[in-house]
Amino acid sequence: SQQGEEDPQALSIQEGENATMNCSYKTSINNLQWYRQNSGRGLVHLILIRSNEREKHSGRLRVTLDTSKKSSSLLITASRAADTASYFCATASGSARQLTFGSGTQLTVLP
Amino acid sequence: EAGVVQSPRYKIIEKKQPVAFWCNPISGHNTLYWYRQNLGQGPELLIRYENEEAVDDSQLPKDRFSAERLKGVDSTLKIQPAELGDSAVYLCASSSNMGRSNTGELFFGEGSRLTVL
Repeated sequence: SQQGEEDPQALSIQEGENATMNCSYKTSINNLQWYRQNSGRGLVHLILIRSNEREKHSGRLRVTLDTSKKSSSLLITASRAADTASYFCATASGSARQLTFGSGTQLTVLP
Repeated sequence: EAGVVQSPRYKIIEKKQPVAFWCNPISGHNTLYWYRQNLGQGPELLIRYENEEAVDDSQLPKDRFSAERLKGVDSTLKIQPAELGDSAVYLCASSSNMGRSNTGELFFGEGSRLTVL
């Protein structure tokens, strides 16, 4: 079963615009992570935000976490064609050392 | 440093045939995961190893799937016999939790794409 649900399922923007993806989850978490997957490739870790954090930045990425609403958002600023990929949120819950992934957002950045 | 290595990258078989996937995790990573990813979906956990012990295999279809991680390093995932619905990408990942109770970053291989005809 999938813990997180990303919204939207697909997003198409022009190069230079910002892209925002949202993730909602169901149970309490220890941390939430975002991954990127280029077509036909494995997943690559982007950023991790702990349950006691509200916002985190990494380069052009900005992640927010609202544990009261059980939701997170990923903002990619000044998007580039190379950002075209699927983006997944993943939650770590309880004592189990595993991640539960959402269904992903397919981002297309048009040149 | 080498990443997670998986083989084969692609495999096409007929239903009822067996298939095996191999994974070599990042050196020193004690936790190894096998995920299955269907087209257009996120990865779903099949089995997790802590060193050589399978600590979470609740989602592994045990009638046809088996896995092993000898000596706590390489791992093999086997399907026998394969069914049409097993067509998917099988992803291996590893992590080094260094005694932490929470899950940190996972490092993924490129995946093994299985097509069952």
